[in-house]
Amino acid sequence: AQKVTQAQTEISVVEKEDVTLDCVYETRDTTYYLFWYKQPPSGELVFLIRRNSFDEQNEISGRYSWNFQKSTSSFNFTITASQVVDSAVYFCALDQTGANNLFFGTGTRLTVIP
Amino acid sequence: DGGITQSPKYLFRKEGQNVTLSCEQNLNHDAMYWYRQDPGQGLRLIYYSQIVNDFQKGDIAEGYSVSREKKESFPLTVTSAQKNPTAFYLCASSIDGGQGHGYTFGSGTRLTVV
Repeated sequence: AQKVTQAQTEISVVEKEDVTLDCVYETRDTTYYLFWYKQPPSGELVFLIRRNSFDEQNEISGRYSWNFQKSTSSFNFTITASQVVDSAVYFCALDQTGANNLFFGTGTRLTVIP
Repeated sequence: DGGITQSPKYLFRKEGQNVTLSCEQNLNHDAMYWYRQDPGQGLRLIYYSQIVNDFQKGDIAEGYSVSREKKESFPLTVTSAQKNPTAFYLCASSIDGGQGHGYTFGSGTRLTVV
């Protein structure tokens, strides 16, 4: 069975603080893909990153970084020096080969307070 | 610019009415999807289609119907059999439907029963 767990429902931070959003997944497949999407108040899901199961290298993109650890089935997302524009709901998702479905976590609502 | 267009942005339905949500893409993607989003529950798959004239039920298909007569279009009808249709509906497309390239999402339709 496949499952994505985002245990943090809501997080509030003060601007310029660092924040980490947790994602834990379950899958029996050896080949799979993990994603993070951002959903601003406008509603559209914006793609942030894609990682395949064979690539455990951490990735940094500006203020964003991702830590993928297969040993703990986690794919955590860190925002450094948070800004008000980072306020949104963030979703972690799992794509199993041939599943024809992205399995989403329940999302984490991040509020950055100026 | 290529993308997915959903219309209308807001839709109101009376009890017992069928309503149709539009989804059009110009990305030349083969696969298209409909998701429902409820507060605190993440996104759940309603229907998906990998090719024209073919579609499959997702996790919560009851009370919904779809068609895929053209590659670009994947309308969703919310029928009167759907007992709790108030939700945010997101359409998505994918170039390969489950091979890890991720999905592109529209900006959503918010449906409210009045």
